[in-house]
Amino acid sequence: AQSVTQPDIHITVSEGASLELRCNYSYGATPYLFWYVQSPGQGLQLLLKYFSGDTLVQGIKGFEAEFKRSQSSFNLRKPSVHWSDAAEYFCAVGAVQGAQKLVFGQGTRLTINP
Amino acid sequence: DAGVIQSPRHEVTEMGQEVTLRCKPISGHNSLFWYRQTMMRGLELLIYFNNNVPIDDSGMPEDRFSAKMPNASFSTLKIQPSEPRDSAVYFCASSFIGNTIYFGEGSWLTVV
Repeated sequence: AQSVTQPDIHITVSEGASLELRCNYSYGATPYLFWYVQSPGQGLQLLLKYFSGDTLVQGIKGFEAEFKRSQSSFNLRKPSVHWSDAAEYFCAVGAVQGAQKLVFGQGTRLTINP
Repeated sequence: DAGVIQSPRHEVTEMGQEVTLRCKPISGHNSLFWYRQTMMRGLELLIYFNNNVPIDDSGMPEDRFSAKMPNASFSTLKIQPSEPRDSAVYFCASSFIGNTIYFGEGSWLTVV
């Protein structure tokens, strides 16, 4: 069965600083990998996804993530954060076959200092 | 394009009452998912449907929970009787099999 670990429960960065959110997954086959963002009181919005091909994927809002099979990681990055990036970020892994059940990490809450 | 539509957005109910949450998936999607989000357990998959058929309900907490999908454009999640520990955010999501899953805005349930 697949699982996801987001080691950082809470991260604080200054506005304009770079950001990296960590995600490690466990899955016996080639995974589908996702990052979702959840603003307070809102639903989950897809930031980016990796299915196959180029291991560096670009997403919305200036985010990118890199799939590293050797490290079982899919870390999310942004070169310069904005105050509006404050939210909860979820990494998820899905099975390649079938209906693609998603297993989510516990989330990382991002706080932005002005 | 309309996304996944959930109702109600917020519900406060008394313990023992029946709660029905509703979901309209994105048109053309043939997979539908119900997730629950709590502080303690994070996001958990409760049940999912393919082509209106329940495929995996192993995440449904107990018999008090039931879900139906009578047609491709509508699903319900029912809790009867409700208990305070059912308080959570319930998300409906949909996808076309093998593709990205899109989430609704959630139904915030409080059972007092």
